[in-house]
Amino acid sequence: GQQLNQSPQSMFIQEGEDVSMNCTSSSIFNTWLWYKQDPGEGPVLLIALYKAGELTSNGRLTAQFGITRKDSFLNISASIPSDVGIYFCAGLFSGSRLTFGEGTQLTVNP
Amino acid sequence: NAGVTQTPKFQVLKTGQSMTLQCAQDMNHNSMYWYRQDPGMGLRLIYYSASEGTTDKGEVPNGYNVSRLNKREFSLRLESAAPSQTSVYFCASSEAPGWEAKNIQYFGAGTRLSVL
Repeated sequence: GQQLNQSPQSMFIQEGEDVSMNCTSSSIFNTWLWYKQDPGEGPVLLIALYKAGELTSNGRLTAQFGITRKDSFLNISASIPSDVGIYFCAGLFSGSRLTFGEGTQLTVNP
Repeated sequence: NAGVTQTPKFQVLKTGQSMTLQCAQDMNHNSMYWYRQDPGMGLRLIYYSASEGTTDKGEVPNGYNVSRLNKREFSLRLESAAPSQTSVYFCASSEAPGWEAKNIQYFGAGTRLSVL
């Protein structure tokens, strides 16, 4: 089946720093989604990407759908303490179910 | 807007006990899903229901059963709980089945289950 490799597994950064995380797959996807999970809550959708090469922003977050359709990255600029949480990528290809990465645990030190 | 509501939020069971996790959505979505989340393993699909009246196995269905009671509700049952089923369980729903592009899944807050 399809598998996603998400990296890094965890990040410890200072407030104000920029963050970058990515997901790669051996299979192509038609859709990439990025979710954030706050402690004790369910994942919440941050950004959805539907076309190869697409670059989409949501406030301080920017995500891109890789040209090869096998990867995606998420950048967070000028991090703040409330950015703490687990970030998940998820990929979808027609005819298959949503596949999730293992998550990136982000810690922001004030 | 309630979105996806899961009950209970926390549960402790003894090995061999049974229980049902409840999930309801108020977004008129066609598809519903049950996932489990374990440390370092992301979200793994247990069962899903593409539409009312249908259910299918996901990646890790063993030890679980589901019922799509109506369009709004999708329950997950553990018939004989085992310690390996200690996990956080999430219900999700989407407007379209998972194999259509632009499917986006919305999640509940989770049920934290411990099996002793």
